[in-house]
Amino acid sequence: EVQLVESGGGLVKPGGSLRLSCAASGFPFSPYSMNWVRQAPGKGLEWLSSISTDDTYIFYADSIRGRFTISRDNAKNSLFLQMNSLRDEDTAVYYCARAPLRGYYFDSWGQGTLVTVSS
Amino acid sequence: DIQMTQSPSTLSASVGDRVTITCRASQSISGWLAWYQQKPGKAPKLLIYKASILESGVPSRFSGSGSGTEFTLTISSLQPDDFATYYCQQFNSVPYTFGQGTKLEI
Repeated sequence: EVQLVESGGGLVKPGGSLRLSCAASGFPFSPYSMNWVRQAPGKGLEWLSSISTDDTYIFYADSIRGRFTISRDNAKNSLFLQMNSLRDEDTAVYYCARAPLRGYYFDSWGQGTLVTVSS
Repeated sequence: DIQMTQSPSTLSASVGDRVTITCRASQSISGWLAWYQQKPGKAPKLLIYKASILESGVPSRFSGSGSGTEFTLTISSLQPDDFATYYCQQFNSVPYTFGQGTKLEI
């Protein structure tokens, strides 16, 4: 069974940093592109970032470019999101999501981790 | 960026109804569209990809159609478990944008 488990969320002050992790299991991690998607309270889904299998291709949404960094460790079946210079508007549930081999849609999702940015 | 617009934003229906949700793209995305279902407090669930291909395990009452800029998600006979919020997403180009969501309620 495919499992994606996020961790690392919490309460942080504006301007602070957090590092989110996503532990993958139940499938061969390295052949899949991985992604972060967030959802602000009561709002819709927002794609944030994608990373290809070997880090060759990395993409970011404008809203986070220059502040967040996506990375992966294929040996540890893990995906990461380093979040710096956090703002109030970054408050959201952050999901990691797997993209299948032939397209950047998302066929498996984690349960999400809540990030709250507040003073 | 490609903008995705869903209609309606809210849809009231009853068990057994046939319902259709529309998703329009601001430019052609060919068939690079996915549909998701999300229930409160849960992660989204993939229903359909490449506009019309049903994800494994998804009931056959769900179907998708369209290409270019206009797409539809149809539920042929609503079941109690189908009351949720539905999102479309284009994966033609970065940024991979979602529609604003359609809340399907009783």
